Amino acid sequence: GNSVTQMEGPVTLSEEAFLTINCTYTATGYPSLFWYVQYPGEGLQLLLKATKADDKGSNKGFEATYRKETTSFHLEKGSVQVSDSAVYFCALIQSGYSTLTFGKGTMLLVSP
Amino acid sequence: EPEVTQTPSHQVTQMGQEVILRCVPISNHLYFYWYRQILGQKVEFLVSFYNNEISEKSEIFDDQFSVERPDGSNFTLKIRSTKLEDSAMYFCASRASGATSSYNEQFFGPGTRLTVL
Repeated sequence: GNSVTQMEGPVTLSEEAFLTINCTYTATGYPSLFWYVQYPGEGLQLLLKATKADDKGSNKGFEATYRKETTSFHLEKGSVQVSDSAVYFCALIQSGYSTLTFGKGTMLLVSP
Repeated sequence: EPEVTQTPSHQVTQMGQEVILRCVPISNHLYFYWYRQILGQKVEFLVSFYNNEISEKSEIFDDQFSVERPDGSNFTLKIRSTKLEDSAMYFCASRASGATSSYNEQFFGPGTRLTVL
């Protein structure tokens, strides 16, 4: 079956540091890939997505590239802010379906 | 900006009791979902609902679970006889229709934390 594996958290960074959160997946065919973010007390919000190999999703300074050869979709940001502190979820939707398969989530803590 | 809402934010119940978790999806959305996250575990798909019927369900969604859209706005998840292992955060989501379903964003509610004692 489908699965998503994320790096364990929490990830603790100082403001303006570079962020990488690793995500790898196992799926049949060509899934669509997503990063969701959950701020404290709120629901899951779509951060970015990529629907085919070599696509790069980007939003709010975050980027992730769909790498089929390594089955990865790592999240990066060049300079994090305190307001980026949240839990980040990598997820996929298998082609032909509409349900999300999530990773366990990675908590990011950014200090001033 | 339209959003998905869920009530209550936290529900505490005794084992064996029935609970109903409520969701109000975004008004023009046609597809509805329930997911759950046991503490420290992955967010897991439970069920999807379209056109007044279940379109897909996971192995977790057994006979103890049911979903309903009792009126034009609410979407509910009922657990008939709760077990300790049902303790989790339950998320509702909705999305608009679209020809290519996997491209359409699912909008999530803030979740209901269910604690079964």
